[in-house]
Amino acid sequence: EVQLVESGGGLVQPGGSLRLSCAASGFTFSSYWMSWVRQAPGKGLEWVANIKPDGSEENYVDSVKGRFTIFRDNAKNSLYLQMHSLRAEDAAVYYCGLLRGPGYWGQGTLVTVSS
Amino acid sequence: QSVLTQPPSVSAAPGQKVTISCSGSSSNIGVDSVSWFQHLPGTAPKLLIYDNNKRPSAIPDRFSGSKSGTSATLGITGLQTGDEADYYCGTWDSSLSAWVFGGGTKLTVL
Repeated sequence: EVQLVESGGGLVQPGGSLRLSCAASGFTFSSYWMSWVRQAPGKGLEWVANIKPDGSEENYVDSVKGRFTIFRDNAKNSLYLQMHSLRAEDAAVYYCGLLRGPGYWGQGTLVTVSS
Repeated sequence: QSVLTQPPSVSAAPGQKVTISCSGSSSNIGVDSVSWFQHLPGTAPKLLIYDNNKRPSAIPDRFSGSKSGTSATLGITGLQTGDEADYYCGTWDSSLSAWVFGGGTKLTVL
């Protein structure tokens, strides 16, 4: 059974840091581009970042460049998102998954940014 | 304002067919393939269509996708109340070097 399980969300103060994790199982994790996508309250889906299968290339939405880092550990079948200098507008449910086939997605982890 | 343009909402009766459009440009849909997602807030997004018209194995053939030039369309036939959700198109934008989503379309099955 394919599973993607996000963790690491929580309440953080503005300017704080958080690391999200995504544990993958049931498919060949190391073969796929992986992405983080988020949905803020009342908003649509927003792509955040993606990373090449071997970790050699990363891309980010402009609003998180220089603050967020996506990385992966293929030996542990895990994807990560290190988030620094968090802002109120980063508050959202964060999902990890594949934007193209076969399109596996996790249930998400909630990040709340508030003082 | 989203790079890809979708209608905010569509509606149809159970059993009927609906289409959702997604309009882009020469730097995104015009040069790359389109994916379609079904999403209920707080739940995992579900990939319905990838590479413009391919369905993952678990997706029924009631869902179809097409692309022409800089626009794409998602079709859903035999509408069910369980299809009520938000639908998003997405693709890679070569000018932005970023994945872009449409603003989302809320489907109501009357």
